[in-house]
Formats: sequence, C-alpha cells, structure tokens
Amino acid sequence: SQKIEQNSEALNIQEGKTATLTCNYTNYSPAYLQWYRQDPGRGPVFLLLIRENEKEKRKERLKVTFDTTLKQSLFHITASQPADSATYLCAQLWSGSARQLTFGSGTQLTVLP
Amino acid sequence: SQTIHQWPATLVQPVGSPLSLECTVEGTSNPNLYWYRQAAGRGLQLLFYSVGIGQISSEVPQNLSASRPQDRQFILSSKKLLLSDSGFYLCAWSVYRDNYGYTFGSGTRLTVV
Repeated sequence: SQKIEQNSEALNIQEGKTATLTCNYTNYSPAYLQWYRQDPGRGPVFLLLIRENEKEKRKERLKVTFDTTLKQSLFHITASQPADSATYLCAQLWSGSARQLTFGSGTQLTVLP
Repeated sequence: SQTIHQWPATLVQPVGSPLSLECTVEGTSNPNLYWYRQAAGRGLQLLFYSVGIGQISSEVPQNLSASRPQDRQFILSSKKLLLSDSGFYLCAWSVYRDNYGYTFGSGTRLTVV
C-alpha cells in the first residue's frame, strides 16, 4: 500500500538557521504533495503544494522540493524564527474524484532563540 | 470568503453514549468534505469523505458513521461510544482547484470516559 513517512519526529534548530524537514513516500509518485502547519490543539493550516512535474516551489521564507527519483519532498524554512515552532505535516494526493489526502505523522519543529 | 465551523470544541462523553459532531462550511458550493481523527502524537487518519449530498465513503471500519444532509453540512455520529473513540476530530473541505489545499476546522477534542 502507498505510504508517506516523515522520518524525524522532532527537530530543534537555532533561530536564524534553515530548518529542513523530510517527507518520503513509497511506490508511485503522488500527483501532489502538500505541506501543512499544525499548532497544538488546532487544525492544520495549508502552506504549500507542489505537483509531480515541479521541482521546487517557494513562498516567502518557505521552499518545497519534489524529487521523484528519491521519492522525497524536502520542506525548508529559511531564517527560522521561534514563531515557526509547530508541527509540520506532509500529505500526498492522487488525482481522483474525491481528492483524498494521506498525511504523514508530522515533524515537531522547535526554533530556539 | 470561505469559512468552516466545527463544534463543540471539547466534549467528554461516557462509554456507550451517543455522539454527534457537526461541521458547516460557508462561502463555497459543492465542496468535498472530510472527517479526520488524530490520536495524540499521531498523524491524521481519514474516517469519511463526501463528494455530494447523501454521498458518504468510509475509509476504515469503525464505530462511527457520517451523514451529509445538506451541501455544506457534514455530521459525524456514533450510537454507542467506545473508549477507543477518544481523539481529536477534524472536519475539512476542498474544491477542485489544483493550487488549493484543504481547509480544516478548529477540531473537537473528544474524551470518552
């Protein structure tokens, strides 16, 4: 069955550094990979989406890459700030009538001042 | 603008009692609607999705059911709650536009005692 995994449960980095989070999938490449931010006790918030045929997508301090050879997506936060501390979820989606997302278990990022 | 309302925010229910969680969406028509459950420290598990009124698909066998009586209303129910039904329940919606992710509600923290 198709799986999506975020290998690091937790990541601590120093303020100002670049945080890099990893998401790996098995078998077939999804049509889209999405990244969400989740704060404690809240619902996830959509950040970025990248298509299978795209290598890289940027939004302000965020960058997402999609490597179909490695079956991996990397999520970067540059010039990280303590306010970036949260759990980040990746999710895969295949083209289909219901557009169901399958989520990874998340990486808890802590940016230390 | 589109908004999603989910209530209640927290709920404590005894084992064997019924459950009804409601989710409504505003500002969009014919959305796909989803119910997810998130166990503590875990990823999101898709429970049900709906592509239209009265159309419900279940992803996992369980003690729960879902209904969509109106285009923008999605209800999660149970006749008799189990201890294992405890968790964080999230409603979400999406539309058929490639650059859009899911929009999640604020969630319901259910504790079955």
